[in-house]
Amino acid sequence: SYELTQPPSVSVSAGQTASITCSGDKLGDKYACWYQQKPGQSPVLVIYQDNKRPSGIPERFSGSNSGNTATLTISGTQAMDEADYYCQAWDSSTYVVFGGGTKLTVL
Amino acid sequence: EVQLVESGGGLVQPGGSLRLSCAASRFTFSSYAMSWVRQAPGKGLEWVSAISGSGANTNYADSVKGRFTISRDNPENTLYLQMNNLRADDTATYYCAKDRGIAASSTSAFDIWGQGTMVTVSS
Repeated sequence: SYELTQPPSVSVSAGQTASITCSGDKLGDKYACWYQQKPGQSPVLVIYQDNKRPSGIPERFSGSNSGNTATLTISGTQAMDEADYYCQAWDSSTYVVFGGGTKLTVL
Repeated sequence: EVQLVESGGGLVQPGGSLRLSCAASRFTFSSYAMSWVRQAPGKGLEWVSAISGSGANTNYADSVKGRFTISRDNPENTLYLQMNNLRADDTATYYCAKDRGIAASSTSAFDIWGQGTMVTVSS
């Protein structure tokens, strides 16, 4: 079965750039998307098809995907960005796959 | 506002059954694939099942295959998940989620999520 691997935690100082990675075999050949989930809330889609932002998502959120790694980048990180982030891809045998999630702490 | 509202969760004994519902509003329900995604307490997201916009195609995670059945009633704008032979490790918050496309595919991404309904399997 296909698997996506994320670091359990990432820390960033407010105003700096945060990068969260998601690794999977030949992930760059698939589309990756990213969700933000704050405590007690439902997930919110922040990036789809590698690098597209849904309406209403701030421009500081961006994504890339190449080789075996997809990356979510948050520029000028704000306190409100502190949350859990999940990557997701689709595999022909496993269908929808989520990464284990990364807790982003804004210092 | 586009909305998904789940219901039907609760406490059930191991081996029991439960049927979850998800009421959709303010979008053309039949034009989009839908999925169920669950999250065990303190854990990450786990995809459970998907159904195409027409209802003709369904997919399941290995962990629920043969026990859970996804279905939809397009005229009623409602998604269902029939859960049989429930186990303790099925305990989770169950979310319904709208796909951006009409079928689960390589471009699948969930742009609308419900608030979730809690399922607890315990004796």
